[in-house]
Amino acid sequence: ETGVTQTPRHLVMGMTNKKSLKCEQHLGHNAMYWYKQSAKKPLELMFVYNFKEQTENNSVPSRFSPECPNSSHLFLHLHTLQPEDSALYLCASSQALAANNEQFFGPGTRLTVL
Amino acid sequence: AQSVTQLGSHVSVSEGALVLLRCNYSSSVPPYLFWYVQYPNQGLQLLLKYTSAATLVKGINGFEAEFKKSETSFHLTKPSAHMSDAAEYFCAVSTNTGNQFYFGTGTSLTVIP
Repeated sequence: ETGVTQTPRHLVMGMTNKKSLKCEQHLGHNAMYWYKQSAKKPLELMFVYNFKEQTENNSVPSRFSPECPNSSHLFLHLHTLQPEDSALYLCASSQALAANNEQFFGPGTRLTVL
Repeated sequence: AQSVTQLGSHVSVSEGALVLLRCNYSSSVPPYLFWYVQYPNQGLQLLLKYTSAATLVKGINGFEAEFKKSETSFHLTKPSAHMSDAAEYFCAVSTNTGNQFYFGTGTSLTVIP
């Protein structure tokens, strides 16, 4: 595997389910990110991790719970979601947490909440 | 705070014609600027970035962008559109004061044969 991978690519869940999204980066980067992409809206930054430590939580509801066990893996645990949480969830990584470092994105997980 | 405005959510060009996608930014400090492309069912891929070196930045697939501080713009251009250029394009800004990327709402490019 190369770059940033995400699994699953598609997920349909009910409002009472618990599921997890997985992201893995094979680039040796130190910073990882979760974004939410909804139609006709800018990408919304959800969480930022730097060297496994969370550095940013952009007022994300507690029904989204991130986990970063090491610099290569990032999870997003989901529980009791709402239909408005349906979106494309993108994971990204960068060499460092620096403004001039480009972010490398995974293909995303298309989430549908019924 | 920083922000990005992409004028035109949809742009259509004929194959072989000039591509011009507009991006204006707002920042009180020197910005870093990025253009990303997203093909269907894929993540975002970096096209090019401006990090305070040359104001004319060349990227992949024949794209380039020019940083114009006086106009707070970073428009993306390509001299001759190809069918494979059809995709969603995102402009983003970041600064050393926050390290966050702020993305625009995207411009969907259609190439007409």
